[in-house]
Amino acid sequence: DQQVKQNSPSLSVQEGRISILNCDYTNSMFDYFLWYKKYPAEGPTFLISISSIKDKNEDGRFTVFLNKSAKHLSLHIVPSQPGDSAVYFCAARLRNSGNTPLVFGKGTRLSVIA
Amino acid sequence: GAVVSQHPSWVICKSGTSVKIECRSLDFQATTMFWYRQFPKQSLMLMATSNEGSKATYEQGVEKDKFLINHASLTLSTLTVTSAHPEDSSFYICSADTDRSYGYTFGSGTRLTVV
Repeated sequence: DQQVKQNSPSLSVQEGRISILNCDYTNSMFDYFLWYKKYPAEGPTFLISISSIKDKNEDGRFTVFLNKSAKHLSLHIVPSQPGDSAVYFCAARLRNSGNTPLVFGKGTRLSVIA
Repeated sequence: GAVVSQHPSWVICKSGTSVKIECRSLDFQATTMFWYRQFPKQSLMLMATSNEGSKATYEQGVEKDKFLINHASLTLSTLTVTSAHPEDSSFYICSADTDRSYGYTFGSGTRLTVV
């Protein structure tokens, strides 16, 4: 049973427009959510995160929104740039009871077209 | 800061041989490291949790005798794929919780190809 779901395997956006990547989760015990960017044959790179006590976190062109009642979060990238083309993984962490691993979605491949 | 160095970045080995993958935390101490495996176009699947000074905790379905994990120090965890088979070919990634605002840091990954 997948606890973190990214239902869109791919997304194409024109340069300069907004990219919106979505993520849904099922476990209400998740307390921290992260977005990672990954290029082929490389490890994921941390992008932005949000605690479950917040509903928005912004960092430059990247904003993450969290809707706890809907168990949904989204990553907004604006304006989108060709260099943003990569696979984006949504990840969640269980409420801290020691070091716990992240649970990942399957990823969404973003293509930003110049 | 919070760098995890993973080596080798890619390796090709013959069936039946063993391959060791190393992950080092360069500027922090990692009492716990996580090992993931990624198949093409799939998510990162947790294989095991590596704890310094104790036995690793393996996820269901992961063979402990095949994927040997050692975490002998606060900065080094190793994953050894023993008696490798072609179906073990995959992308292996380690991760550690940095206890910093950017959370978990990942190694650069190891592409293993068994021929």
